[in-house]
Amino acid sequence: DAKTTQPTSMDCAEGRAANLPCNHSTISGNEYVYWYRQIHSQGPQYIIHGLKNNETNEMASLIITEDRKSSTLILPHATLRDTAVYYCIARRRLKAAGNKLTFGGGTRVLVKP
Amino acid sequence: AAGVIQSPRHLIKEKRETATLKCYPIPRHDTVYWYQQGPGQDPQFLISFYEKMQSDKGSIPDRFSAQQFSDYHSELNMSSLELGDSALYFCASSLEGGNEQFFGPGTRLTVL
Repeated sequence: DAKTTQPTSMDCAEGRAANLPCNHSTISGNEYVYWYRQIHSQGPQYIIHGLKNNETNEMASLIITEDRKSSTLILPHATLRDTAVYYCIARRRLKAAGNKLTFGGGTRVLVKP
Repeated sequence: AAGVIQSPRHLIKEKRETATLKCYPIPRHDTVYWYQQGPGQDPQFLISFYEKMQSDKGSIPDRFSAQQFSDYHSELNMSSLELGDSALYFCASSLEGGNEQFFGPGTRLTVL
């Protein structure tokens, strides 16, 4: 899996958009970008994933640069419940074997009132 | 909607004892993953199963073993417990090749 680099922490204001960057400059052509988050001591939660096109779901939007070396997760209207550690993970999408998630170096996001 | 169930939620053991953690995946999910999260650390992959066969193995100590049963539930067996085994243990389930892993609430193991 390609190495990803994220800021250690960031604050954002409640009600504002939160933009979380992720660098994955060594990503290979068949690796997807996945985002998970972990609210304190809860199980990680899937947010969104993408290969090269921008993606949007009910939780967030994912913007992937054209060269795929970086991406940004956007939480459109951050709430206090979005306070969590956000993980950007690059990995291939395989059948059952090899679908493990490698968590590391996430961004601790604190949403402030 | 049904979620991943883990039991027990909390477990306290003495050093050198054994522990068994159970995981019940979401119905129809055929793949189960186990992760360990030590205090202040990120979750680390231990082992996974697909259709009752081990599909991948991470940094799981030899003192630990796991299996997936015919009803797809999984058990993580931990023997000769050490203080360093104190952690949150998460189970996740997915469909084969699924993009999304669904995590359970975790079992907090404390070894005294």
